[in-house]
Amino acid sequence: NAGVTQTPKFQVLKTGQSMTLQCAQDMNHEYMSWYRQDPGMGLRLIHYSVGAGITDQGEVPNGYNVSRSTTEDFPLRLLSAAPSQTSVYFCASSYSKTSGYYEQFFGPGTRLTVL
Amino acid sequence: AQSVAQPEDQVNVAEGNPLTVKCTYSVSGNPYLFWYVQYPNRGLQFLLKYITGDNLVKGSYGFEAEFNKSQTSFHLKKPSALVSDSALYFCAVRDYGGNNRLAFGKGNQVVVIP
Repeated sequence: NAGVTQTPKFQVLKTGQSMTLQCAQDMNHEYMSWYRQDPGMGLRLIHYSVGAGITDQGEVPNGYNVSRSTTEDFPLRLLSAAPSQTSVYFCASSYSKTSGYYEQFFGPGTRLTVL
Repeated sequence: AQSVAQPEDQVNVAEGNPLTVKCTYSVSGNPYLFWYVQYPNRGLQFLLKYITGDNLVKGSYGFEAEFNKSQTSFHLKKPSALVSDSALYFCAVRDYGGNNRLAFGKGNQVVVIP
């Protein structure tokens, strides 16, 4: 298994540009999520999904969109990039959408800089 | 909302000495608690979890954690630290609502000195 994969690893954008961060998992996990990591703030949840066709907002959803058309893929879209979105983005997945018993598996991250 | 606190920004420990990384939690109901580790320029890796049962939980790479309900703590421990344990450690708790959302602490940088 490749686990959770993310592309690209690095990205530089100009203010106002849009882009999509890709995330895929090959473990048939129901639950997928996107976090951003900023120094001294831990990980903050952006959006999450409990299955194909079902998404919901996390703690910091503004400026981001998601969709979940398949179990495997969960892309994150930045509609109009802002410098405040400079961060490291992690995608994660886990087996169960409801129980909370199961640990989450994380991708390697995408380091995004918005100029 | 559920939350965890990691009171120390950085923990320095000499190689071979015991390592402790502190975490306290605030939840309504039974806590589901997790520890993750992040090595430089990598994603987070799962170390261990407490769901129910024994208060002492054993995990990967020789780490263990002690759940203490009266002190609302879930401290991570390792009897003898290695230089390779130098990393960022995150405590997390399942968030409210019965789903799989996690609330993370801000993280602790551990530096093991040779």
